[in-house]
Parts: sequence; structure tokens; C-alpha cells
Amino acid sequence: EDQVTQSPEALRLQEGESSSLNCSYTVSGLRGLFWYRQDPGKGPEFLFTLYSAGEEKEKERLKATLTKKESFLHITAPKPEDSATYLCAVRGAGSYQLTFGKGTKLSVIP
Amino acid sequence: DVKVTQSSRYLVKRTGEKVFLECVQDMDHENMFWYRQDPGLGLRLIYFSYDVKMKEKGDIPEGYSVSREKKERFSLILESASTNQTSMYLCASIPGSYNEQFFGPGTRLTVL
Repeated sequence: EDQVTQSPEALRLQEGESSSLNCSYTVSGLRGLFWYRQDPGKGPEFLFTLYSAGEEKEKERLKATLTKKESFLHITAPKPEDSATYLCAVRGAGSYQLTFGKGTKLSVIP
Repeated sequence: DVKVTQSSRYLVKRTGEKVFLECVQDMDHENMFWYRQDPGLGLRLIYFSYDVKMKEKGDIPEGYSVSREKKERFSLILESASTNQTSMYLCASIPGSYNEQFFGPGTRLTVL
């Protein structure tokens, strides 16, 4: 059974204070690790897909990295508008389904 | 841009009512999904469909059914709503098996 664990559950940062969110996973034959951002009361918004260990992707202040057991979402010099819940999900071999973690709620204080 | 729309943002129903939640995507995607999201439990898959008239149970199908008569539309049905079905319901779609899922805005359902 695929499993995804995200840590920490919640993170408060001062504006400009860089940090990382962690996503640990177990999956049979990884076919993609996905990061989403979700604002309160809205649907998740797609950020990145990573497919193999060593892969990295960047978008503005966000950078996602992948190893064989975990992924990190690095946030560099965050701004208050980066405040949201960040979700991680994996897809295993031969499956249409995604398995989601419970998310990390990020708050960036001005 | 892919657009996934859901019929209502907020819905209030009474226990025992039949409830229809509709999802429409405009990109000719084959696969569509219904999730519910609850605090502390995360996103849980209810049902998904990989083609018209085809459906598969997800992790928590009890108390729900689905309908997919047209490729662009996927409906979630609560045959007899109960208070424990109060939740945020999210629809998603993907064009093929290994692509990222695109989500709709969600429907906040309250069952009284």
C-alpha cells in the first residue's frame, strides 16, 4: 500500500526566512511525485511533478527535489502570499490513483 | 488552461435527501476523480472513472455512487445524505494515466 507522510504539519516563518517541507513516501514503482498548493476553501493547484531520484524543478521561490524515499519543497525568502497548505502525492505503477499526504500548513508572517 | 468546474461552491442539504454534485472538464480528459477532504484526514478518493460509463471504487465508496454518461461530465450522488458526509468535495481530471491531476474549486457540502 502506498503511503505519504508530510512534515511538519504546520510551519510558521518570518517573511524572508527560508525553509523546507518534507514528504516521505513508500510506493511500488514510482510513476510520479506531485506537489500541490491549496488555499483555504479552494481546490489544490498543481505545482510540480518529479519522476526520478535526483530530479529538481523550480518555480519562483519554490524548488522541489526528489530522492528514492523523500521529496523536499524548498521555499526561499518566502512572502506572505506563499501562505497556504502544501500537499504531496504519489502515483504507483499501474495505477490511476494518487495517494496524498495530509499536507503542511505554511504561514508566512510579515 | 485546463478548466474543471463544479456545480456549486456551497450546498446545504438535510439528512435523507438525495444529493447530486456535478463536475465538468473542458479538455477532453479520459480520467476523472471524486475526493472528499476532511481536517486531519487529508484527501480521500471516493470513486474514479477512466472512460464513459466506466467507474472504479476508491478508498471510501460507501454511501456514494457515480455517473459518467458523457466524457466531460462526472457526477457524484449521495443517495441518502447523512451528517457524516458533511465535507469538502473535490473533483479532478487527467488526460492520461501518468499526468498530474487538475482540480476543480470544490463544493463545501453541509448535511443538517
